[in-house]
Amino acid sequence: DVKVTQSSRYLVKRTGEKVFLECVQDMDHENMFWYRQDPGLGLRLIYFSYDVKMKEKGDIPEGYSVSREKKERFSLILESASTNQTSMYLCASSRAGGNEQFFGPGTRLTVL
Amino acid sequence: GQNIDQPTEMTATEGAIVQINCTYQTSGFNGLFWYQQHAGEAPTFLSYNVLDGLEEKGRFSSFLSRSKGYSYLLLKELQMKDSASYLCASWGGAAGNKLTFGGGTRVLVKP
Repeated sequence: DVKVTQSSRYLVKRTGEKVFLECVQDMDHENMFWYRQDPGLGLRLIYFSYDVKMKEKGDIPEGYSVSREKKERFSLILESASTNQTSMYLCASSRAGGNEQFFGPGTRLTVL
Repeated sequence: GQNIDQPTEMTATEGAIVQINCTYQTSGFNGLFWYQQHAGEAPTFLSYNVLDGLEEKGRFSSFLSRSKGYSYLLLKELQMKDSASYLCASWGGAAGNKLTFGGGTRVLVKP
């Protein structure tokens, strides 16, 4: 079974803090994705990566950056957290050329 | 551009059938996914349609019409555990393949 894990289920941070969200997958997938999920808006793609050290902007990259130093790990970084970044963050992975994405359990981030 | 529309919420009775419709406008369309997401959990894959027609998988079926930009997910013999959000997502895009999700349809199954 594909397993995608995220470092925290719940996180509370203050405005202006730097926040790291970690995602690890154990199926040797090439592709990894970060989404945020908000009521009524569905999942929106923030960033994705097709390979180590490669990254591509998704639909809403502003205020975020990512890092992929190892194949199994994809980190989402909020350089200076703001209240409008309070959301559920979901990581996903898929194999190269594949389209089915496997999701992690999500991190519910609250920025105060 | 990409645009996915699906109803916000539906209610049905245990044992009944519910059909969740999804319309999409996706440039470079390559297929349509349905995911199930229980509250507080990760989305899990239900179905993927590339060609027109109906794909049946147990109690769940998914239909696609590429010419109409339309899909539906059919849930038969509803069970209480089917209460969840159902996410429609199109695969494709002018800038390369990616998943674009609709807002999700929350289905509530009542006894």
